[in-house]
Amino acid sequence: NAGVMQNPRHLVRRRGQEARLRCSPMKGHSHVYWYRQLPEEGLKFMVYLQKENIIDESGMPKERFSAEFPKEGPSILRIQQVVRGDSAAYFCASSPMAETYNSPLHFGNGTRLTVT
Amino acid sequence: EDKVVQSPLSLVVHEGDTVTLNCSYEVTNFRSLLWYKQEKKAPTFLFMLTSSGIEKKSGRLSSILDKKELFSILNITATQTGDSAVYLCAAIIQGAQKLVFGQGTRLTINP
Repeated sequence: NAGVMQNPRHLVRRRGQEARLRCSPMKGHSHVYWYRQLPEEGLKFMVYLQKENIIDESGMPKERFSAEFPKEGPSILRIQQVVRGDSAAYFCASSPMAETYNSPLHFGNGTRLTVT
Repeated sequence: EDKVVQSPLSLVVHEGDTVTLNCSYEVTNFRSLLWYKQEKKAPTFLFMLTSSGIEKKSGRLSSILDKKELFSILNITATQTGDSAVYLCAAIIQGAQKLVFGQGTRLTINP
């Protein structure tokens, strides 16, 4: 059973361009979480989605960032008009149910975004 | 604001030494605490601790939670170079589907 799959692994964008990060959850999982890790820091929660619904986006910057998890296909984290401060590793995790405290989150390998 | 603090931020020891990593937390509606090991890629799960005073062990690694003093420790005995990594702890918030992470401890084991 494949784990959480993220692509691309590395993404380089110039300032002002758009970045699209994709996350395919584990088979049978309908809950997806995005976290961002700045250099030398821990992971910071960004957004929690179920299929076709954003449940908690309290960690998302108010502008330029959006996330979706359509009925079909992977979850997408989109960053418009990227700036250097967006350079980070973006991790996705998935779970089969909403109660994350019953089982730990398992993360994908992340997308490392570099903005030049 | 919910907060998780790890110490030390960085630790360098020799192979064979024993290390203790610390994690303290101040969160509302605390449920459980998780430890992860992060090498170059995804954080990989080590332990989930929910009850106070019960040690969890996996080989040379062990961890315990103190819910009265609001901290956890991760012990690694007879360290090996393969233990070199960043160790992250995270608090699970009851009723909220998110983890609050500490900043991590970078552990380096020298041969």
